[in-house]
This record gives sequence, C-alpha cells and structure tokens, in this order.
Amino acid sequence: AQTVTQSQPEMSVQEAETVTLSCTYDTSESDYYLFWYKQPPSRQMILVIRQEAYKQQNATENRFSVNFQKAAKSFSLKISDSQLGDAAMYFCAYKLNYGGSQGNLIFGKGTKLSVKP
Amino acid sequence: NAGVMQNPRHLVRRRGQEARLRCSPMKGHSHVYWYRQLPEEGLKFMVYLQKENIIDESGMPKERFSAEFPKEGPSILRIQQVVRGDSAAYFCASSRGELYEQYFGPGTRLTVT
Repeated sequence: AQTVTQSQPEMSVQEAETVTLSCTYDTSESDYYLFWYKQPPSRQMILVIRQEAYKQQNATENRFSVNFQKAAKSFSLKISDSQLGDAAMYFCAYKLNYGGSQGNLIFGKGTKLSVKP
Repeated sequence: NAGVMQNPRHLVRRRGQEARLRCSPMKGHSHVYWYRQLPEEGLKFMVYLQKENIIDESGMPKERFSAEFPKEGPSILRIQQVVRGDSAAYFCASSRGELYEQYFGPGTRLTVT
C-alpha cells in the first residue's frame, strides 16, 4: 500500500526567508502524481503545486518549487521569500496515474508552517 | 465559474441522530470524492462516485455510512446513528474525470455532542 510521510509536524520561518518542507512516500508503482496542498485556517484545501513522476524537471509555481527525487522517493517543497499569508498547514499527497479504484489522493499528516514578521 | 460547494459548513448532531452532508461539484465535473479529516490528521479517502455509481468505497466504514451521487442534484454523504468519533471535517472534491485534477470544497465540520 502507498503511504506518505511528513516528518516535520511544525516549521517556522522568518518573513522573506526560505523554508523547505519534507515529504517522503512509499510506492512500488512508477506512474503517479505528487502534490502539495495548503490548508489555511479557513480549512479550504488549495493546490499549491503538482509533479508528474515521469517528468525529471522539478515543478515550479512562482515562489513555490519542489525537489523531486524519484529514486529516493522524496518530494520536498521550497517556499522562497516567505510571506505572512503562507502560514498554514501543508499537506503532501500522492495519486496513482490511473483511475478506477486507485484514483484517490493519499495524504500525509501535514506540516504546520508559521511565518514570523 | 463556481467552485465545489458543500453545505452545511457546520453541523451539530446529538449521538444517535443522522447527519446528511451535501456536495455540489464544479460545473462539468461528474466525479466526486469524499475525504474525512480527523483533528491533527491529514485527509483520508472515503468514497469515490460517478453519476449514479459508486466506483470505490474502500475507505468508508462498513456500517452507518453511505454515499450517493444521483443523476440530478448533489452528492450526499449520510451518516446514521452518529457517535462522538464521527466528529471531523468532511471534504468533497470533484474532477472532470479519473485522471484529472481534484478540486476541493470548503468542507463540512461535523460535531457530535
């Protein structure tokens, strides 16, 4: 069974600095997606960034980028120039790249990010 | 273009009552997923439905829980005879198809007293 592990329950970063959130996963599959979701206090789940496993190039979205190490099954999120609005719970998630009964998202337990002014 | 809508946002039930949670997917989406988030936990998959069909209910408790997605109207997650352990946030997500991105609603927070 696939699992997702986030080993940092809480992280803190100074405004304008850079922070990296860790995520590892376990799977025997080769074709899958990885995601980072943000959950602010409003509890709305917001997709931050996604990565297709077959792509070697790391995904980037503005201040957010990932370091995808497929062999190590590692998928970390880097937030540059941190802003107060980045404070939230961040969840790493995995999804097989086929549908049917295997198409659901598998989430880690989350990392709570605080941003200090 | 309205996003995924869930109602109610907050629901309080006494032990033994029934809870009905509704999810209206985004326009053009015919696939719905339900997830549950317990306090201090990530989201856990419960059930995946397409119009009038349950595709995967492997994450759903065997008793008291049921889900439907009728041809017309929202998807409903129904919890009968609620217990305190059912207190959680329930999220719905929708997508255009199995291999497409899932978009989440704001969730329903169920409190069982």
